[in-house]
Amino acid sequence: ETGVTQTPRHLVMGMTNKKSLKCEQHLGHNAMYWYKQSAKKPLELMFVYSLEERVENNSVPSRFSPECPNSSHLFLHLHTLQPEDSALYLCASSQVPGDEQFFGPGTRLTVL
Amino acid sequence: QKEVEQNSGPLSVPEGAIASLNCTYSDRVSQSFFWYRQYSGKSPELIMSIYSNGDKEDGRFTAQLNKASQYVSLLIRDSQPSDSATYLCAVLTGGGNKLTFGTGTQLKVEL
Repeated sequence: ETGVTQTPRHLVMGMTNKKSLKCEQHLGHNAMYWYKQSAKKPLELMFVYSLEERVENNSVPSRFSPECPNSSHLFLHLHTLQPEDSALYLCASSQVPGDEQFFGPGTRLTVL
Repeated sequence: QKEVEQNSGPLSVPEGAIASLNCTYSDRVSQSFFWYRQYSGKSPELIMSIYSNGDKEDGRFTAQLNKASQYVSLLIRDSQPSDSATYLCAVLTGGGNKLTFGTGTQLKVEL
């Protein structure tokens, strides 16, 4: 256990559904991240939050909408996704941006 | 040119041997480097971080950094079957906010 939890662990959704991924860190960190991991591709950084402010938005389509209500919680709201969005979505946290990052177990997302 | 390059493998080594995993990066101003281990179906797990030129040892693992050659490596001594996993090299780029990952090297330690 790294101190970073994610729910749900698995999610199957249709292209017209709206769902949310949740991440919580119990490490007292100030930075949180969303990554996408697709087969045969490197981890792709999606969003970076530092002290609840978004500091990096890596050209992610608007059908992905992040929310960081406090430094311990991070959400990724999903709507009108495409089948190519099927991937493992990983949350991570670090003390500050640029420090060692610790990953949650991930949410395996399948878009039908 | 990819920002972080790794040989995808698989790299096969016999049990007890030294496994050598290599990584090159393109951003000359990068200052922080990390190695993660990822078992199949699991999330990445931090193994080592290195910030200065030279070697850094932690148990059976040694990270090596050469900033002039833009090269970072991970040595695993006395390799065990439980070391079989994909090893991800990550480099802090983009002004210090962005961790860029390589595609990973698959390591297989054979009995």
